[in-house]
Amino acid sequence: AQSVTQLDSHVSVSEGTPVLLRCNYSSSYSPSLFWYVQHPNKGLQLLLKYTSAATLVKGINGFEAEFKKSETSFHLTKPSAHMSDAAEYFCVVILYNNNDMRFGAGTRLTVKP
Amino acid sequence: DAGITQSPRHKVTETGTPVTLRCHQTENHRYMYWYRQDPGHGLRLIHYSYGVKDTDKGEVSDGYSVSRSKTEDFLLTLESATSSQTSVYFCAISDSTGANVLTFGAGSRLTVL
Repeated sequence: AQSVTQLDSHVSVSEGTPVLLRCNYSSSYSPSLFWYVQHPNKGLQLLLKYTSAATLVKGINGFEAEFKKSETSFHLTKPSAHMSDAAEYFCVVILYNNNDMRFGAGTRLTVKP
Repeated sequence: DAGITQSPRHKVTETGTPVTLRCHQTENHRYMYWYRQDPGHGLRLIHYSYGVKDTDKGEVSDGYSVSRSKTEDFLLTLESATSSQTSVYFCAISDSTGANVLTFGAGSRLTVL
């Protein structure tokens, strides 16, 4: 069973417009959730994490995500896209134990001038 | 990628040959992980280590073995490489399961012909 689903494999926005990258999860436990970003030919870098504190989580580079338990969602947003935001983004959930982190398939974000 | 080095960064090999990828960290972190990244699958955990000589299997461990004889080094071995193991391999480290923030290496691209 899929434990984390990123609803869009590719999102394209214009520079200066809002970004929405969608993530839904399934977990029997109170989940810990993360967003990571991967720039071309690089390793992954943590954007933000949710670990049962505030439901609205702020990350680096102006990104934020809101944990909605009723919708089992953890969507990533940014008010205004920048060219440097073009990358692949991964939603991650801790599934059964702290060493079992499941990655979504990724969403490639393209930012047009 | 500071503090975590993967080698080699690129390797081309033939089916049936053994391959060893090395992950070296200078952060003295307890936990080390090997993931593989394939299009449409995100990252999948191969093996992880929670201390010297302490390792466990991940989601896709078949065909892979690992060893950790020192805190700083985590080796991934393909005893007899197959074409299905063509992938990009990422090492990650974490200082505690509570925080569970992963720091990734730059990746090792392996091609099995």
